Amino acid sequence: QVQLVESGGGVVQPGRSLRLSCAASGFTFSTYPMHWVRQAPGKGLEWVAVTSADGRDKFYADSVKGRFTISRDNSKNTLYLQMNSLTTEDTAVYYCVREKPYNDYWGQGTLVTVSS
Amino acid sequence: DIVVTQSPDSLAVSLGERATISCKSSQSVLYNSDNKNYLAWYQQRPGQPPQLLIYWASTRESGVPDRFSGSGSGTDFTLTISSLQAEDVAVYYCQQYYSTPRAFGQGTKVEIK
Repeated sequence: QVQLVESGGGVVQPGRSLRLSCAASGFTFSTYPMHWVRQAPGKGLEWVAVTSADGRDKFYADSVKGRFTISRDNSKNTLYLQMNSLTTEDTAVYYCVREKPYNDYWGQGTLVTVSS
Repeated sequence: DIVVTQSPDSLAVSLGERATISCKSSQSVLYNSDNKNYLAWYQQRPGQPPQLLIYWASTRESGVPDRFSGSGSGTDFTLTISSLQAEDVAVYYCQQYYSTPRAFGQGTKVEIK
């Protein structure tokens, strides 16, 4: 069965960096575009970024452009999100999501808290 | 960028009654080449990640009860729960996947009256 397991969240100070990972299993990872979607505490869903199946094409929300980098290693079935220059506004649960092209599978999420 | 707006923000419905949620996109999400509406609905129960309910505006995901239905085309869409059950208490989101950024609606919280 399809599984998406995020890791790498935690508490980080403003201005610092963090890298999230998402381990995928149960499907042919290299054939699906993948997304990151986040949800601030008590708030709605915010789309963050997408990478094409081969990793060549990447698109970002304006709120993270220039600070976040999405990438993937298809040999390891793993999706990444490198987050730099973090601010308190980035505090959220980050979900790894498969595209079909609708988002059919979501991970359980990993919590990132940006606080001094 | 396409903006997606849901209404209402919340609603309370009696058990067994109908719940209706509206979703409007600022541009059409109907793709002419395949005549499909690139609009999905998700359910998020408390403490859980979102789950896909409906895609292509009206196709139920496998395992989703048939009391959930989606309708609409172009810019105006509706999610209907025909007979509300206790397990349907959740926040419901629509999302367009016609273009990036893949905007979500702000969410509609459904509660029991």
